[in-house]
Amino acid sequence: KNQVEQSPQSLIILEGKNCTLQCNYTVSPFSNLRWYKQDTGRGPVSLTIMTFSENTKSNGRYTATLDADTKQSSLHITASQLSDSASYICVVSRLNNNAGNMLTFGGGTRLMVKP
Amino acid sequence: NAGVTQTPKFQVLKTGQSMTLQCAQDMNHEYMSWYRQDPGMGLRLIHYSVGAGITDQGEVPNGYNVSRSTTEDFPLRLLSAAPSQTSVYFCASSSKTFLAKFPDTQYFGPGTRLTVL
Repeated sequence: KNQVEQSPQSLIILEGKNCTLQCNYTVSPFSNLRWYKQDTGRGPVSLTIMTFSENTKSNGRYTATLDADTKQSSLHITASQLSDSASYICVVSRLNNNAGNMLTFGGGTRLMVKP
Repeated sequence: NAGVTQTPKFQVLKTGQSMTLQCAQDMNHEYMSWYRQDPGMGLRLIHYSVGAGITDQGEVPNGYNVSRSTTEDFPLRLLSAAPSQTSVYFCASSSKTFLAKFPDTQYFGPGTRLTVL
């Protein structure tokens, strides 16, 4: 079964600290992995997209890594800011002619950054 | 560009009522989709469209209808609302390359929070 598991479910850190969010998946065959940020009451916003051949990709203070062999990804946030408080969603896409079931969403990690 | 817009932002229905959630995008994207998001669960695909006149079912299509008469608009219809349809609904769009080897960004609307009593 195609699944995406994220950990931790929730995380509280102090402003200025770094943190790492984890994503493990069983989706196969793999096409690409995305990280989204979702502010409360808003739609998800894309942070990064990584294909099979990419090990790391950065977007400002966000750095995503991908290990396709172990089927793991991480999202590292550097020097956290209050505005980083949000849910972070990992999404894995699989190669499939049917566009209807290409994406599998993780349940998200809720991050709270405190001053 | 307004991106992906959704109306209404909030809606309360009684069991058995019908309504249409509106979604529009101004990026000329071929691929549009509807998701629902429930507490503690990942987004789940309801219906999707790969172009005007073409729609198909996603993971949880029961109780919902869609149509795609234009590239810009992709309304979602609830035929007879049930309390199990209480959720936050998101519309999303992306260019046709979403289905290709090199993926493109998927843009989400702000969501519609629906409560069915």
